[in-house]
Amino acid sequence: EVQLVESGGGLVQPGGSLRLSCVASGFTFSDHYMDWIRQAPGKGLEWVGRTRKKANSYTTEYAASVKGRFTVSRDDSKNSLYLQMNSLRTEDTAVYYCARVSSTWNAYFDCWGQGTLVTVSS
Amino acid sequence: DIQMTQSPSTLSASVGDRVTITCRASQNINSWLAWYQQKPGKAPKILIHKASSLESGVPSRFSGSGSGTEFTLTISSLQPDDFATYYCQQYNSYSITFGQGTRLEIK
Repeated sequence: EVQLVESGGGLVQPGGSLRLSCVASGFTFSDHYMDWIRQAPGKGLEWVGRTRKKANSYTTEYAASVKGRFTVSRDDSKNSLYLQMNSLRTEDTAVYYCARVSSTWNAYFDCWGQGTLVTVSS
Repeated sequence: DIQMTQSPSTLSASVGDRVTITCRASQNINSWLAWYQQKPGKAPKILIHKASSLESGVPSRFSGSGSGTEFTLTISSLQPDDFATYYCQQYNSYSITFGQGTRLEIK
């Protein structure tokens, strides 16, 4: 069974940092691009960032709202995806989902984790 | 960034109804559009990709159409399990964007 499990969420003060993790199982993690998507309480979905696979030099993309503050990375040996979040703001409060990109040529999200809640508040 | 606009924002319907949700892109996205269903407290679930391709395991009452800038999601006969929020998403560009969502509620 394809599964993604996020962890690392919690309460953090504005200006602080947090690192989220997503562990994958049930598929060949290294074959897929992986993304982070977030959802503020009661709001819609917002794409956060992407890491491509080794064949694409692990290049990354970011939403303008997080560029320069967040870093997406991966460790294929551990089937793990990470989101390092620095200089956190109250508007970063959201449930953060990791998601698998189906394929490089048809890049929709075919599998999502259950999400982890990040609350930025003093 | 490409803006995605869904309509309506809220839709009231009854079991057995045929419903259609529209999604418009601010520029041409070819057929690189997906539709997701989300229930409260749960992660989104893929329904349709490449505008009209039904994801494996999704009931055939769901269908998608369109290309370019205008797309639709149709549910042919609403079932109780279908009352949820629906999102469109474009993946034509590296900067992925979602529509604001359509909440489908019971009339």
